[in-house]
Amino acid sequence: NAGVTQTPKFRVLKTGQSMTLLCAQDMNHEYMYWYRQDPGMGLRLIHYSVGEGTTAKGEVPDGYNVSRLKKQNFLLGLESAAPSQTSVYFCASSFGLAGNEQFFGPGTRLTVL
Amino acid sequence: AQSVTQPDIHITVSEGASLELRCNYSYGATPYLFWYVQSPGQGLQLLLKYFSGDTLVQGIKGFEAEFKRSQSSFNLRKPSVHWSDAAEYFCAVSGFQKLVFGTGTRLLVSP
Repeated sequence: NAGVTQTPKFRVLKTGQSMTLLCAQDMNHEYMYWYRQDPGMGLRLIHYSVGEGTTAKGEVPDGYNVSRLKKQNFLLGLESAAPSQTSVYFCASSFGLAGNEQFFGPGTRLTVL
Repeated sequence: AQSVTQPDIHITVSEGASLELRCNYSYGATPYLFWYVQSPGQGLQLLLKYFSGDTLVQGIKGFEAEFKRSQSSFNLRKPSVHWSDAAEYFCAVSGFQKLVFGTGTRLLVSP
């Protein structure tokens, strides 16, 4: 039981390049989330999904897209990376919404030059 | 909309001393409250959570937190800090569809 895994762990991009971050969970959770963590700002929700085939915008969705084609996977895409997207990205999953514990992956550190 | 305030950015505690990390929340209804811990280079791990009932909640690693509705607070405590407790601590409040985090408190433990 691996929990929540994220690939890659580190990535360096040049401005304008694209990339996809992969999140996978093996807990059969319905809900999945993408956050970014920046110094002094805590974690901010980018997008989330309440089930396979569904996605919704969070607090800071601009510049990102997501897809949930399979229940266990949640992909975060950057179509044209910008230096402002330099951050640590965390994926999480939970059984339900309100009141349910979210389980976090180890994070992806992304630097955009 | 819900929000969380953690007024202390950094706290330094001597090993063996007691610890209290402050958290104030804003939410219109009865909140679901959480404390998470993040060790350097790691993801977040749940320490404890409050849903309802007993206002003093016990968590892992010897931590506890007390929910005080009148003060809109959910402070985290530990009676005796260990060097391995050095980490960043996040308080969070859950609304219907999302978890809102505070900005975190970094705990430093001195010998």
